[in-house]
Amino acid sequence: AQSVTQPDIHITVSEGASLELRCNYSYGATPYLFWYVQSPGQGLQLLLKYFSGDTLVQGIKGFEAEFKRSQSSFNLRKPSVHWSDAAEYFCAVGAPDSSYKLIFGSGTRLLVRP
Amino acid sequence: DVKVTQSSRYLVKRTGEKVFLECVQDMDHENMFWYRQDPGLGLRLIYFSYDVKMKEKGDIPEGYSVSREKKERFSLILESASTNQTSMYLCASRTGGVYEQYFGPGTRLTVT
Repeated sequence: AQSVTQPDIHITVSEGASLELRCNYSYGATPYLFWYVQSPGQGLQLLLKYFSGDTLVQGIKGFEAEFKRSQSSFNLRKPSVHWSDAAEYFCAVGAPDSSYKLIFGSGTRLLVRP
Repeated sequence: DVKVTQSSRYLVKRTGEKVFLECVQDMDHENMFWYRQDPGLGLRLIYFSYDVKMKEKGDIPEGYSVSREKKERFSLILESASTNQTSMYLCASRTGGVYEQYFGPGTRLTVT
């Protein structure tokens, strides 16, 4: 069965610093990969997704993620963090043979220091 | 823009009460979902509906039921609320054949 691991529960960065949030998945083939963001008191918003092709994908709000098959990873990055990026971030996996289900990681809470 | 709305942002109920959480989407999506979100556990799927009157159990269906009488509306029912059902409940929808799900703002339910 597929699974998703986000090893960092909390991350704190200074405003203007770069950011990388880690995501590792377990699945026999290449799954469909997603990053969602949840601002305080809000539902989840899709940041970006990877299905196939170019392994570096661009998303909204200046985020990007890179799929690395050899490491079973799909890490989220942003070159310069803004205070408004403080939120919880979820990585999710959708297996092609489980067409309706997304498996979510436990989330990483990002705190931004002024 | 896809809009998924949930009937309440905050709800407080007593143990043993029957609780209804309502979700409405305005994009004619075939599929709708109910998740439960708890700290450190991420989102866990309670129930899924792939069409009107069609439903499937997710990973944690115990203590919950669902109803989908109209395409745009998906209800989560707690037949007899218990304190361990205190949580954030998120509804989502998507069109068939794609994976992206669109989420509502969530209902924070407290059972006392």
